[in-house]
Amino acid sequence: DSGVTQTPKHLITATGQRVTLRCSPRSGDLSVYWYQQSLDQGLQFLIHYYNGEERAKGNILERFSAQQFPDLHSELNLSSLELGDSALYFCASSVAAGGSYEQYFGPGTRLTVT
Amino acid sequence: GESVGLHLPTLSVQEGDNSIINCAYSNSASDYFIWYKQESGKGPQFIIDIRSNMDKRQGQRVTVLLNKTVKHLSLQIAATQPGDSAVYFCAESFGGGADGLTFGKGTHLIIQP
Repeated sequence: DSGVTQTPKHLITATGQRVTLRCSPRSGDLSVYWYQQSLDQGLQFLIHYYNGEERAKGNILERFSAQQFPDLHSELNLSSLELGDSALYFCASSVAAGGSYEQYFGPGTRLTVT
Repeated sequence: GESVGLHLPTLSVQEGDNSIINCAYSNSASDYFIWYKQESGKGPQFIIDIRSNMDKRQGQRVTVLLNKTVKHLSLQIAATQPGDSAVYFCAESFGGGADGLTFGKGTHLIIQP
């Protein structure tokens, strides 16, 4: 158990809908990263928050957004969902803002868009 | 027609043998590298990391080797066990930046009894 929690574990929704995925980092970690894992693209970095502030964006679509709250949990919002958004979404937490620290991954949320 | 999806390289080894998984990384500016193990239905699990000022690091039953000249990383697993069956990913990052990890495509390790 990495200490990172994600909810829900599974999510099935229809095209055009909006969903929110939630992540709680390990105790003491200030950074939260979001990743998408799909069959055709592999694991891809989406966005990074550190202590409530956005620090870096990766391959995140404009339809997707995220935030990190004062209690350090984070939410990833996916809107106007398309079939191609079906994937596993992972969050990872790290103690610092830079890239040279271990990132611990949660169990993921499997999103299915029908 | 052309198939879609990632075709993961597969490495099949006998239980008890040593395994070597290789990875070519992409960014010469990367200075931090991690190996992750992902079992079916689970998130990536940290195995071992190495910084660019080192060329070898050992953990419990695992060794990571880094060759910056050819941008190559390898993971050696000693005396592989059935529980080592998983997909293994290398990942890289530039420590000075806030970007997330860049993952390789992964290698599927299968342990034969």
